[in-house]
Amino acid sequence: AQKITQTQPGMFVQEKEAVTLDCTYDTSDPSYGLFWYKQPSSGEMIFLIYQGSYDQQNATEGRYSLNFQKARKSANLVISASQLGDSAMYFCAMREGFYGGSQGNLIFGKGTKLSVKP
Amino acid sequence: EAQVTQNPRYLITVTGKKLTVTCSQNMNHEYMSWYRQDPGLGLRQIYYSMNVEVTDKGDVPEGYKVSRKEKRNFPLILESPSPNQTSLYFCASSPSDRTRFSGNTIYFGEGSWLTVV
Repeated sequence: AQKITQTQPGMFVQEKEAVTLDCTYDTSDPSYGLFWYKQPSSGEMIFLIYQGSYDQQNATEGRYSLNFQKARKSANLVISASQLGDSAMYFCAMREGFYGGSQGNLIFGKGTKLSVKP
Repeated sequence: EAQVTQNPRYLITVTGKKLTVTCSQNMNHEYMSWYRQDPGLGLRQIYYSMNVEVTDKGDVPEGYKVSRKEKRNFPLILESPSPNQTSLYFCASSPSDRTRFSGNTIYFGEGSWLTVV
C-alpha cells in the first residue's frame, strides 16, 4: 500500500488565484513529519513547508500553507496568489521515525505537476 | 555554507561501463540516502546509511551498491549500468537524532542526470 498518495497528476491554475494540491498519507507511527517540496524544471528539490504530527496549528510559510487534517490523514498544500514561477512539480513526503522500527526514511508521493496560466 | 554535493551532474554512459556517482556533505550528518526519480513514480529510495559502515537497502536497491567509509561521503556505484537505470538521482543527508527530525533538516544535492545507452 502506498504511504503517500497524491491523486492529481496535473493541475492548472490561473495566475493570482489560489490552488490546493492534495496529499494523503498512511502511517501507524504516532510521530511523523510531513513535507512539501517544489521541483522546477531545472531539477533541484526545494523545501517549502513542514508539519509535525504533534503540531497544533497548521504550518504556514509565506504564500504556502499546509491544511493538516490528522484524523483524515490529509496534508494538502495551499498556494495563495499563484505566480508564473510556481509552475513546477510538487512532492508530498513523510518521515516516520520517532518511535517504532522506522529508520526515519523520507517517503515521497508521485507528485503533482502544477501549471500556472497567465 | 551547508550543502550536499553530487558529481557528476550530467552523464551519458554505455551499458556495462561501471560508474560512481559521488555524494559529499559538510554538515557532519549521520544519515545519508540515495533516491532515484522517474516520471510518474516520484522519488524512490535506493540505499540509505545511518552512520559510517552502516548501510541498508531502500525500496529499489537492485543494480546498485553503496559504501560509507567516511561520514561525509556516500558514493553510489553502478557496477554494470543498464538502460533501465537511466534516471535522475538525488543524494540527501540529515541528522539521525530523531528529536531533530522536524523542519527543514533534510538537505538534498542538486541531482545527477544519468543516461545509460
